[in-house]
Amino acid sequence: EAGVTQFPSHSVIEKGQTVTLRCDPISGHDNLYWYRRVMGKEIKFLLHFVKESKQDESGMPNNRFLAERTGGTYSTLKVQPAELEDSGVYFCASSQDPAGKAEAFFGQGTRLTVV
Amino acid sequence: AQRVTQPEKLLSVFKGAPVELKCNYSYSGSPELFWYVQYSRQRLQLLLRHISRESIKGFTADLNKGETSFHLKKPFAQEEDSAMYYCALRGGNKLVFGAGTILRVKS
Repeated sequence: EAGVTQFPSHSVIEKGQTVTLRCDPISGHDNLYWYRRVMGKEIKFLLHFVKESKQDESGMPNNRFLAERTGGTYSTLKVQPAELEDSGVYFCASSQDPAGKAEAFFGQGTRLTVV
Repeated sequence: AQRVTQPEKLLSVFKGAPVELKCNYSYSGSPELFWYVQYSRQRLQLLLRHISRESIKGFTADLNKGETSFHLKKPFAQEEDSAMYYCALRGGNKLVFGAGTILRVKS
């Protein structure tokens, strides 16, 4: 069974540019999460989709970040324009039920470097 | 406020030595706590959860509500245990993570 897949694995962009990260969850998982780990700090929640609806986006840092999940399948996270402090590893996770009630499966992460 | 604290960034032990990775939490209500592990070049994966009360790969963790702790323990460390370990709690429908502890097991 394929796990959670994230593209790209690495991205290096210049400040001011736009980057789009993609996450393909495990098939059948309605719940999809985005998290971010900034160097040396904890993994922080960004947002939670249930199917195509945003259930909780309280962790989104600002309006430069836009997440979508059209059709309730894969999700994209766009950063526009990127700033230096956006650098970090972005993780996607999916679960059949909300995290904790069912195990959340994580992708390999996308390492974003803004220079 | 919901918070998870892992005071050690790095824990280095010799093979066969006991291991204790510390985790303290702040949460109002009954917490659900987890340990996640990320081995080199692998994805983050669930190691164990407190409600299961199970031992995985020789690791155990006991929830101590009085001390608000959920320390991860293993009596005899193995080299393959070297990894990054994250303590997490469930806050609503999301996970709240600590900063992680790198465990390095030396031969």
